[in-house]
Amino acid sequence: DIQMTQSPSSLSASVGDRVTITCRASQSISTYLNWYQQKPGKAPKLLIYAASSLQSGAPSRFSGSGSGTDFTLTISSLQPEDFATYYCQQSYSTPRTFGQGTKLEIK
Amino acid sequence: EVQLVESGGGLVQPGGSLRLSCAASGFTFSSYEMNWVRRAPGKGLEWVSYISYSGSTIYYADSVKGRFTISRDNAKNSLYLQMNSLRAEDTAVYYCARESLYSSSWFYFDYWGQGTLVTVSS
Repeated sequence: DIQMTQSPSSLSASVGDRVTITCRASQSISTYLNWYQQKPGKAPKLLIYAASSLQSGAPSRFSGSGSGTDFTLTISSLQPEDFATYYCQQSYSTPRTFGQGTKLEIK
Repeated sequence: EVQLVESGGGLVQPGGSLRLSCAASGFTFSSYEMNWVRRAPGKGLEWVSYISYSGSTIYYADSVKGRFTISRDNAKNSLYLQMNSLRAEDTAVYYCARESLYSSSWFYFDYWGQGTLVTVSS
């Protein structure tokens, strides 16, 4: 099974900050990588698919990059509504594993 | 508008059974693969099971293999998860999620239900 490791596990930042979250796969997954956002009590929401493609309706301040084993999710200028937990997911093989999550909190 | 609505969660004793349902609307259900994903209290997302659009291909996470059964009824636009031999560690919010394909190769979960809580406790 492919293991997905996110860092950091939690992060404190301020509105307006540029934030980067990292996801590392235990083996090469090309660009088969998705990013989701989940707020408390809500369903996860797709932000990025295929490592760098922005999902329709997702704000343009979100961007994704990477290939192989190392990936990043960047939020260019944090907004109040961005404080949430973020997950990466590999779509290279089954089981369709998620990272452990990165909780983004207000500083 | 795409909607996925889960139901069937609740409190069940260890060793018991529960059947979750996911009612789909707003899209051609029979054309999409579907998944179940769960989130245990204080934990992250865990993929549970996948079913192809026709139901002919099914996958499970090792943690539920042999105990859970995924199925679908395309005539009723519904997805199911039969959960047997439930354990305390199965306690979680269970989400159904639609799977979409990009360029015939990359898949992602583009729509999710609001989730249904399953609590396994005596």
